[in-house]
Amino acid sequence: DAGVIQSPRHEVTEMGQEVTLRCKPISGHDYLFWYRQTMMRGLELLIYFNNNVPIDDSGMPEDRFSAKMPNASFSTLKIQPSEPRDSAVYFCASRWGTSSREQFFGPGTRLTVL
Amino acid sequence: DAKTTQPPSMDCAEGRAANLPCNHSTISGNEYVYWYRQIHSQGPQYIIHGLKNNETNEMASLIITEDRKSSTLILPHATLRDTAVYYCIVRARLLNTGNQFYFGTGTSLTVIP
Repeated sequence: DAGVIQSPRHEVTEMGQEVTLRCKPISGHDYLFWYRQTMMRGLELLIYFNNNVPIDDSGMPEDRFSAKMPNASFSTLKIQPSEPRDSAVYFCASRWGTSSREQFFGPGTRLTVL
Repeated sequence: DAKTTQPPSMDCAEGRAANLPCNHSTISGNEYVYWYRQIHSQGPQYIIHGLKNNETNEMASLIITEDRKSSTLILPHATLRDTAVYYCIVRARLLNTGNQFYFGTGTSLTVIP
């Protein structure tokens, strides 16, 4: 299995531009998580999905952030408009089931907003 | 969700055991203790988890106190590749939904040659 796949690995954009981050979870996993990591705040959970349905988006910082999961093999995290304070590494993770199973993380997308 | 407290940084000599402590005094009876680590520029990696009994796998051992208010991750023979940030996480169980992981700031372990 290729593991969780994220694209792009690096994104540099200018303030005000729309940014779309992509994630392909491990096949068969029914939970998908989006995290953001910064030096100041560490690793924060933004939103998670179960069977393609958003369950908890309380970690999404503001309305500029939105996430979708149109099918079991694809999810997007969109920032519109982007701001410099959105610069961070964004991780996607997936897991199967509700028992005490580990989450598998992708390599992350490093976003820089100028 | 139960909170965890970890020292911000630790050093360990190569080849020696690294003992990473974690306090989780408000843990509830059905919450597991998970350990992840993150090597620079990579995604977090699962290490081990436990409920109340001590656990061991090929990577590490997890010692949980009898009152479950603290735990220790043990890397028996630390190598330079074990230099990473180690996160102690108490898993929150949401009724009828699933489980989330709340990461704190972790312990930055440096293995010294």
